[in-house]
Amino acid sequence: ETGVTQSPTHLIKTRGQQVTLRCSSQSGHNTVSWYQQALGQGPQFIFQYYREEENGRGNFPPRFSGLQFPNYSSELNVNALELDDSALYLCASSRRAETQYFGPGTRLLVL
Amino acid sequence: AQKVTQAQTEISVVEKEDVTLDCVYETRDTTYYLFWYKQPPSGELVFLIRRNSFDEQNEISGRYSWNFQKSTSSFNFTITASQVVDSAVYFCALSEAGSGGSNYKLTFGKGTLLTVNP
Repeated sequence: ETGVTQSPTHLIKTRGQQVTLRCSSQSGHNTVSWYQQALGQGPQFIFQYYREEENGRGNFPPRFSGLQFPNYSSELNVNALELDDSALYLCASSRRAETQYFGPGTRLLVL
Repeated sequence: AQKVTQAQTEISVVEKEDVTLDCVYETRDTTYYLFWYKQPPSGELVFLIRRNSFDEQNEISGRYSWNFQKSTSSFNFTITASQVVDSAVYFCALSEAGSGGSNYKLTFGKGTLLTVNP
């Protein structure tokens, strides 16, 4: 196990609602990256947080936002949910440029 | 822009067969990192290996081996004497070092589903 935890494991929401996903990073890691994995696809980079600041963002709209806390845990918030937001959301922690270790993911279903 | 191509969508083998998963990448950087991750049905991505662009030595870890060839921009993964527990989706990924605070994001291929039958 990597020591990266995510909650909740599964979530069902309806279109238009908002959701918050949480990630606890591995001890000693100061960087958290979030990825979205649609069914049958590879993970796509959403954004990364390093020392509580956003440090790069993928091709995702502003309704995807995040936070990193002083203990390096992180949240991913998605507003105005759309059906296409249904996916596995993966969080990865690392020490800056080093290897990213992934958590078990949160499966989000938007109805 | 960086890109990773895994041309094999699905591979099915019988236990004890050797199998090679192909990965071809594109990048403009001279410094970059290549990775392989395994994703079992549970969904968690399990780190297998990381190589930097300056280290072309092949690596062997138990039944796993990796062949990195910069000349063909390939980073192939071979499982020797496959086992049923090897069944999973395998992803190749690329990270560029960049400059000025690059976030070292991972760019993944679409993955190869490996099924090892008893």
